[in-house]
Amino acid sequence: DQQVKQNSPSLSVQEGRISILNCDYTNSMFDYFLWYKKYPAEGPTFLISISSIKDKNEDGRFTVFLNKSAKHLSLHIVPSQPGDSAVYFCAASVAGTASKLTFGTGTRLQVTL
Amino acid sequence: EAGVAQSPRYKIIEKRQSVAFWCNPISGHATLYWYQQILGQGPKLLIQFQNNGVVDDSQLPKDRFSAERLKGVDSTLKIQPAKLEDSAVYLCASSLVRLGTSATYEQYFGPGTRLTVT
Repeated sequence: DQQVKQNSPSLSVQEGRISILNCDYTNSMFDYFLWYKKYPAEGPTFLISISSIKDKNEDGRFTVFLNKSAKHLSLHIVPSQPGDSAVYFCAASVAGTASKLTFGTGTRLQVTL
Repeated sequence: EAGVAQSPRYKIIEKRQSVAFWCNPISGHATLYWYQQILGQGPKLLIQFQNNGVVDDSQLPKDRFSAERLKGVDSTLKIQPAKLEDSAVYLCASSLVRLGTSATYEQYFGPGTRLTVT
């Protein structure tokens, strides 16, 4: 039962353009969502998060949008840079569970020159 | 601030052997997590500790996996005996958050231990 889904296993974007990574979830109890970035041979690193009381959160080049009615969130990276090439994981949690995270399967982003 | 430390980084064992992984979380982090990440999948939570108590081990295969967090700091995860399907990266993470609060904090991950079972 995949409660968090990332349907695009890979994405290729030119440097300077916008990267849009998508994530869908099925559990309506989720109320906190996070994006993690992972480079090879390293652990995931936190990128940005959003609470269910918001529909947008922005941090520099990274913006996360949440559509609760559609149970969908997306991560926008503008402008994309070669250093952004990594695997991006969407994760979700329920408040009060000590941040127990349910992860998606990841999207590999490649930013080309 | 030092990050989450894990050792070893790589381990190759034969099936039916045993193996142990070690994790040292960020100082002051009450909650510690062990995840299993199989190739091509996202991390899956195996067990979650708050201080030295287990708060969630519902996805831990208890017939072969065990974990402990003595003194509420370091933790070890053991597999005995290992199976081929245990080949994965084992990630340790820690967080400031405490069970029972509505606060949510990000988790900080270690580099992981890549286990290959042959």
